[in-house]
Amino acid sequence: KQEVTQIPAALSVPEGENLVLNCSFTDSAIYNLQWFRQDPGKGLTSLLLIQSSQREQTSGRLNASLDKSSGRSTLYIAASQPGDSATYLCAVRETSGSRLTFGEGTQLTVNP
Amino acid sequence: ETGVTQTPRHLVMGMTNKKSLKCEQHLGHNAMYWYKQSAKKPLELMFVYSLEERVENNSVPSRFSPECPNSSHLFLHLHTLQPEDSALYLCASSQGYEGYEQYFGPGTRLTVT
Repeated sequence: KQEVTQIPAALSVPEGENLVLNCSFTDSAIYNLQWFRQDPGKGLTSLLLIQSSQREQTSGRLNASLDKSSGRSTLYIAASQPGDSATYLCAVRETSGSRLTFGEGTQLTVNP
Repeated sequence: ETGVTQTPRHLVMGMTNKKSLKCEQHLGHNAMYWYKQSAKKPLELMFVYSLEERVENNSVPSRFSPECPNSSHLFLHLHTLQPEDSALYLCASSQGYEGYEQYFGPGTRLTVT
């Protein structure tokens, strides 16, 4: 059974700092991996989707990498801003079907 | 309206009530999903519909009953719920069933008293 772990569970940084969020998964036979952002009490916003054949994806100040063989992904946020404060969720999609297995998330606080 | 919408946004119900959650997607997608998000737990997939047919049902108690009348609408009918069913219920949609990116609605915060 696929399990997804996100470390750290919570992170607090000063504005302007570069930071890395980690995601690990137990079964490397994944189809793709998706990073989401969730604001308090709100739904999920998709940030980046990495296919299993890709090594990284970039969108603005965000860069996500994937190392399928080691079961790891990282989300790099450059020059963090208070508006980046949210919970960041990692989810992997298994090879068949559409099932997404989520981690518990990393709660990020960027202090002005 | 754009994207995925959910109503109501907040719902408080007693254990003997019957209520329904509604989800509508305006993206032209063919697959829709219900997820449950409880405090301190990862999101749990509850149901998946593809082309209006249920393709996944993940051991969800029968007090939750989904309905997908067409590819744009998804309902979750609730009856005789328990306090532990209090959670954020999220709807999502995707272009197809296998491997496509999922787009989420804002969720319905359900409290069972």
